[in-house]
Amino acid sequence: EDKVVQSPLSLVVHEGDTVTLNCSYEVTNFRSLLWYKQEKKAPTFLFMLTSSGIEKKSGRLSSILDKKELFSILNITATQTGDSAIYLCAVEGYYGNNRLAFGKGNQVVVIP
Amino acid sequence: NAGVTQTPKFQVLKTGQSMTLQCAQDMNHNSMYWYRQDPGMGLRLIYYSASEGTTDKGEVPNGYNVSRLNKREFSLRLESAAPSQTSVYFCASTPAGSGANVLTFGAGSRLTVL
Repeated sequence: EDKVVQSPLSLVVHEGDTVTLNCSYEVTNFRSLLWYKQEKKAPTFLFMLTSSGIEKKSGRLSSILDKKELFSILNITATQTGDSAIYLCAVEGYYGNNRLAFGKGNQVVVIP
Repeated sequence: NAGVTQTPKFQVLKTGQSMTLQCAQDMNHNSMYWYRQDPGMGLRLIYYSASEGTTDKGEVPNGYNVSRLNKREFSLRLESAAPSQTSVYFCASTPAGSGANVLTFGAGSRLTVL
């Protein structure tokens, strides 16, 4: 059975702090790892990672994958209150059809 | 530019009642999914349809049925609702024929079963 474990499950930081979120996984026939941001409603896509050691970056957010140690990190620098959200990690494996397994999420609260 | 549209947004049911959640996408995507989200549980896959005419069980299919009516529409039915089905339900789609890749989610449907 696929396993996706995110840590910490929740954290509170002050504006301007740096946040590091962890996602470790065990999945059959790994294809990709995806990060989503969920505010009030639907999750929105952030990054997809398929290769080890290559950082994906978008503004203050960045992510990297380690396929040997089976984990990914999502970093948020200079946090703002708009970064308050649940960050979901999902891993795609291949079972005849591709399927995503989600972790429980990292709830981030940024206080002014 | 609708993307994935779910209806209804909110619903309250009594135990034993039935209902159908509707989902439609206008992006010509092949694959569609139904997830449920409970506090502290992340997203769990209920059913998915890799392409028109096919459906498969996900992680938590018990108590649900689905219909892939055509390429655009994928409905989720609760035949006899139970309080354990109180949750937020998300429909999602992806262009891949048999791949999950990047999902586009609907806004969610909040269901309460009393």
